[in-house]
Amino acid sequence: EIVMTQSPATLSVSPGERVTLSCRASQSISTNLAWYQQKPGQSPRLLIYGASTRATGIPARFSGSGSGTEFTLTISSLQSEDLAVYYCQQYNNWPPRFTFGLGTKLDLK
Amino acid sequence: EVQLLESGGGLVQPGGSLRLSCAASGFTFTNYAISWVRQAPGRGLEWVSSVSGSGESTYYADSVKGRFTISRDNSKNTLYLQMNSLRAEDTAVYYCAKDWDNTGYPSSFDYWGQGTLVTVSS
Repeated sequence: EIVMTQSPATLSVSPGERVTLSCRASQSISTNLAWYQQKPGQSPRLLIYGASTRATGIPARFSGSGSGTEFTLTISSLQSEDLAVYYCQQYNNWPPRFTFGLGTKLDLK
Repeated sequence: EVQLLESGGGLVQPGGSLRLSCAASGFTFTNYAISWVRQAPGRGLEWVSSVSGSGESTYYADSVKGRFTISRDNSKNTLYLQMNSLRAEDTAVYYCAKDWDNTGYPSSFDYWGQGTLVTVSS
């Protein structure tokens, strides 16, 4: 099983701040990585797929980068509505054995 | 507008069975793989199972293999998850999720339902 490790588990942030979240895979997954945002009481929302492609309707302040085992989600200027839990997911296995990271929670400093 | 609406959750005793449904609309159902992803209370996301657009190929997490069966009825635009031999650790909100691309095979998920809660307890 490919283990996805996200860091940090929690990050205290301020509006306007540049925020960087990390996700590491236990083995190479090329760019088969997605990022999701989940707010309390809501379903997850796809932000990024293919490690760096923004999903439809996602603001340009969200960007993804990385390949192989190291990945980053960056929020260029945090808005208050971005306070949420962020998950990474790998979809490299075939047949599928998809795995998620445990998440990074962004809260207000 | 893409919509996914899950139903069928509830309280079930350990060892019992439950069948979840997910009614889809707003896209060409047969072109997309659909998956089930669950989230235990206060926990993270766990992929459970996926089915290809045609329904011919199915995939399962090791934690549910042999107990859960995914299927789809493309004539009704509906996805199912038959859950047997349920355990306390299966307690979670179960989401159905549509794949973002139309290859018919699963990868990442661009639309999610609101989820249905399954509670396994005596």
